[in-house]
Amino acid sequence: KNQVEQSPQSLIILEGKNCTLQCNYTVSPFSNLRWYKQDTGRGPVSLTIMTFSENTKSNGRYTATLDADTKQSSLHITASQLSDSASYICVVSLLRGADGLTFGKGTHLIIQP
Amino acid sequence: DSGVTQTPKHLITATGQRVTLRCSPRSGDLSVYWYQQSLDQGLQFLIQYYNGEERAKGNILERFSAQQFPDLHSELNLSSLELGDSALYFCASSVSGGTGNYGYTFGSGTRLTVV
Repeated sequence: KNQVEQSPQSLIILEGKNCTLQCNYTVSPFSNLRWYKQDTGRGPVSLTIMTFSENTKSNGRYTATLDADTKQSSLHITASQLSDSASYICVVSLLRGADGLTFGKGTHLIIQP
Repeated sequence: DSGVTQTPKHLITATGQRVTLRCSPRSGDLSVYWYQQSLDQGLQFLIQYYNGEERAKGNILERFSAQQFPDLHSELNLSSLELGDSALYFCASSVSGGTGNYGYTFGSGTRLTVV
């Protein structure tokens, strides 16, 4: 069964600190992996998208890494800001199939002043 | 604003009732996807339409149905509602029909509360 597991489930850090969120997946065959940011009560917004051949991709203070061999990805947030408080969702796409997106349950990140 | 419009934003209804959720895709997008997000759960794929035709079906209950109209907006109909149907319902749109593409945009969702 295709699965996406994220850790930690929730995380609280102080403003200005860095943090790393983890994503392990068993989805196969793999097309791409995406990280989304979801503010409370809002729709997910794409942060990064990586294919199996990409190891890292950055979007401002967000840097995602991918190890397709171990089927692990991480999202590193640098110099956190209060606006980074949100859920971060890892989404893995199957190589084929219109319904082939598998969503993790997300990591709930809280940035404290 | 993502360009994907969902209405209403909030909906409160009683058990046994029927509701309709509406989604207008981003301009130029032909595919519409519906997702359900229950408390503490990941997004669950319900159904996809591409250019008016059903393309894929996920974990959608028989009490739920959807359609996409010629102007490409989509409606998700939920009937015989139960307390467990309370959730956020998201619509997403994309240009093409597959999930390998990158142009996948979510709306802000409709929060359904069944009492």
